[in-house]
Amino acid sequence: QVTLRESGPALVKPTQTLTLTCTFSGFSLSTSGMCVSWIRQPPGKALEWLALIDWDDDKYYSTSLKTRLTISKDTSKNQVVLTMTNMDPVDTATYYCARSHRADVGWFDPWGQGTLVTVSS
Amino acid sequence: QSVLTQPPSASGTPGQRVTISCSGSSSNIGSNTVNWYQQLPGTAPKLLIYSNNQRPSGVPDRFSGSKSGTSASLAISGLQSEDEADYYCAAWDDSLNGQVVFGGGTKLTVL
Repeated sequence: QVTLRESGPALVKPTQTLTLTCTFSGFSLSTSGMCVSWIRQPPGKALEWLALIDWDDDKYYSTSLKTRLTISKDTSKNQVVLTMTNMDPVDTATYYCARSHRADVGWFDPWGQGTLVTVSS
Repeated sequence: QSVLTQPPSASGTPGQRVTISCSGSSSNIGSNTVNWYQQLPGTAPKLLIYSNNQRPSGVPDRFSGSKSGTSASLAISGLQSEDEADYYCAAWDDSLNGQVVFGGGTKLTVL
């Protein structure tokens, strides 16, 4: 059974850096083709893809946010970490991680339950 | 503003057939497969259709997907009250070093 779980702070202040961890089980990020993505959803709004890392350590970022994002992996711990710098209230959202595959990186299955991050002073 | 365009809302009565469209361009839907996600209220999205028209195990055959050119559609037949949810399309976009793009989502109401 494949599961993913997001963890990180529920509240961050403007200008701070957000660090989120995705801990997964049931698959290995060292397996050829495997990927993990981060996706976010502001309250009442649409899904927005943020970043992806694959088994070969290739990384892809949202064009609009790439200057603020860094994605990394720790294969031995089955974890993927996303950092987002210079947080702003508009970054308030539920952040999800999801498994993907290099053959179709728009395929996300399954998703974690999500973690709500509020940006406020 | 989302790269993929979906109608913000759709509705139907129980038993009806409803379709939701997803419009893109040559760099995304036109050259890559489309996936659809269902998000029930208060829950994480769930994969509904992958590779344009494939259903994951456990998804009822009432749900079907299709793609033509730079557009895709999700059809739900025999509409049920539990189908009331938000639906999103997604695809890889080859432009600007590549990224995943989502539609703006369609809120389906079962009347």
